[in-house]
Amino acid sequence: GENVEQHPSTLSVQEGDSAVIKCTYSDSASNYFPWYKQELGKRPQLIIDIRSNVGEKKDQRIAVTLNKTAKHFSLHITETQPEDSAVYFCAASPNTGNQFYFGTGTSLTVIP
Amino acid sequence: DTEVTQTPKHLVMGMTNKKSLKCEQHMGHRAMYWYKQKAKKPPELMFVYSYEKLSINESVPSRFSPECPNSSLLNLHLHALQPEDSALYLCASSQVTGEQFFGPGTRLTVL
Repeated sequence: GENVEQHPSTLSVQEGDSAVIKCTYSDSASNYFPWYKQELGKRPQLIIDIRSNVGEKKDQRIAVTLNKTAKHFSLHITETQPEDSAVYFCAASPNTGNQFYFGTGTSLTVIP
Repeated sequence: DTEVTQTPKHLVMGMTNKKSLKCEQHMGHRAMYWYKQKAKKPPELMFVYSYEKLSINESVPSRFSPECPNSSLLNLHLHALQPEDSALYLCASSQVTGEQFFGPGTRLTVL
């Protein structure tokens, strides 16, 4: 089955700096890669996603890059703000179904 | 309506009790999911229903019994749970593939 690794497990940045979270996956059949943000006590919410036919996608301060050859994808947050503090999960999903394989999560703290 | 709702928000039960968790969505999604999430861990898939049929059961113990009465509703029946089953239970829905929308979860405590 698919195996998704996520690094780092914790990340602290100063407000205004950039944050980068990296994930690798093992199954070349995976073709959908969402990123979820989960604030303490709340539900996971999709912040950005990318499909395997695209190398990069951007939405305001958030961007995701995908390297299919190397089987890794990354989340980039620029101009971080305290409200970006949360746990971020990457996931990979194969084209044959709707099963998500989640990474282990990154706890991001943005220091004002 | 673009939300997944779950009831109850909190549930405390003894090991001999029987209880049910409920999930509802009105987005026309045909896939619904149950996840279990422990603190500081990723959601762990339990069950997937696709077109109201159980398509994935991740070797979940039989003390958890899912039910999908119709395309908008998903239940999780609980019986004879153990303290280690205490967790946040998340429901999600999606089109057959793609983005999954999560409900707020039920915080379950088993005494």
